Amino acid sequence: QSALTQPASVSGSPGQSITISCTGTSSDLGSYNLVSWYQQHPFKAPKVIIYGVSKRPSGVSDRFSGSRSGNTASLTISGLQAEDEADYYCCSYAGSATFVVFGGGTKLTVL
Amino acid sequence: EVQLLESGGDLVQPGGSLRLSCAASGLTFSSHAMSWVRQAPGKGLEWVSTISSNGGTTYYADSVKGRFTISRDNFNNTVYLQMNSLRAEDTAIYYCAETTVTKGFTYWGQGTLVTVSS
Repeated sequence: QSALTQPASVSGSPGQSITISCTGTSSDLGSYNLVSWYQQHPFKAPKVIIYGVSKRPSGVSDRFSGSRSGNTASLTISGLQAEDEADYYCCSYAGSATFVVFGGGTKLTVL
Repeated sequence: EVQLLESGGDLVQPGGSLRLSCAASGLTFSSHAMSWVRQAPGKGLEWVSTISSNGGTTYYADSVKGRFTISRDNFNNTVYLQMNSLRAEDTAIYYCAETTVTKGFTYWGQGTLVTVSS
């Protein structure tokens, strides 16, 4: 059960847009439109911000968007705000044998 | 409002056992799959186990297969994680989460800390 690959860190200034990539394989991310993204602030539980590759749960800002191309999914945050500074994790369904795999996480710093 | 409250975390010696509980409220518990996800200190999220809504199907990460057992009590809206043969690398905050394949891990508890050390 190999983890999905994310950059360890990204940064951006307030108002800018950033994109976090998440690379898997044809056995997980590339085979299912079942990618989700989680935001985790320090000492808090994770919160889902994207599911089904590009769907936003009720209450999540439309500044968050998701996409997928082949074996790579992406999370884009537009109009960066200080409160977006957090860790972000991607996750993909990987079939009934493996079930799910997480990415290693990306720390977003708002400069 | 959905609430998930984990309990049972503790300091345990290597080779020991522990049972975690997660009490759910605010949702139709028996209609939802439930999972445990852990996070070692300073590390990322790791999926541990998932159980279907009726308890008939379970899934485990390779790292815990054969040592951990997930179960649920739909009358008392509680999901459990029985952890045996604990190792230092099992040290983590353990979160329970309501789970759907299509929507991922929708609701999370605040976690319970398990420390495996002599």
